[in-house]
Amino acid sequence: AQSVTQLGSHVSVSEGALVLLRCNYSSSVPPYLFWYVQYPNQGLQLLLKYTSAATLVKGINGFEAEFKKSETSFHLTKPSAHMSDAAEYFCAVSSSYSGGYQKVTFGTGTKLQVIP
Amino acid sequence: EPEVTQTPSHQVTQMGQEVILRCVPISNHLYFYWYRQILGQKVEFLVSFYNNEISEKSEIFDDQFSVERPDGSNFTLKIRSTKLEDSAMYFCASSGQGTGNEQFFGPGTRLTVL
Repeated sequence: AQSVTQLGSHVSVSEGALVLLRCNYSSSVPPYLFWYVQYPNQGLQLLLKYTSAATLVKGINGFEAEFKKSETSFHLTKPSAHMSDAAEYFCAVSSSYSGGYQKVTFGTGTKLQVIP
Repeated sequence: EPEVTQTPSHQVTQMGQEVILRCVPISNHLYFYWYRQILGQKVEFLVSFYNNEISEKSEIFDDQFSVERPDGSNFTLKIRSTKLEDSAMYFCASSGQGTGNEQFFGPGTRLTVL
């Protein structure tokens, strides 16, 4: 079984401030971890992914996340928030099964508000 | 850049009617998925599909739901008799072969059941 927990359904930051969105995972097998972003009335866009290579993963739009096995965490950060970062962010965990398919389990999402 | 497409973007239907949601996955992908997001809630896995058969389905995916790959490009989700609680955004996704490959998501179809 796999699951993710996102702490904080809403996060507000000032423009230019650090963004920190928290995610903890649970997985019975080595996980693949993802962060997706969803802008209003749009689909899901992949920000970054962890697939057992480097523990610090850099993604698009200046975001990065660090995989910490000891803490079962995969927090998303960005040094300086921009107004265009306002969106909903989903942490997700995936496991590959013997059939080759993957099942992605999403967290409940965190809505990021950027205050000018 | 290749992308997953979905049609229609918005579907309104009466309760009890059948709906078919359509998806065109990325052409060289082999695994196909449907997810659902009820307004204000998280994205939930419905079903995965490979080699013309279901690999796994969730408890949400009951007998009212079916999936099909009718030709080499389309992947459809059919809801036989829609209920009010089927109102949601439905996302199609596809992935290539190999571990760790992310799923590419389509823009979604918003289904409204009246």
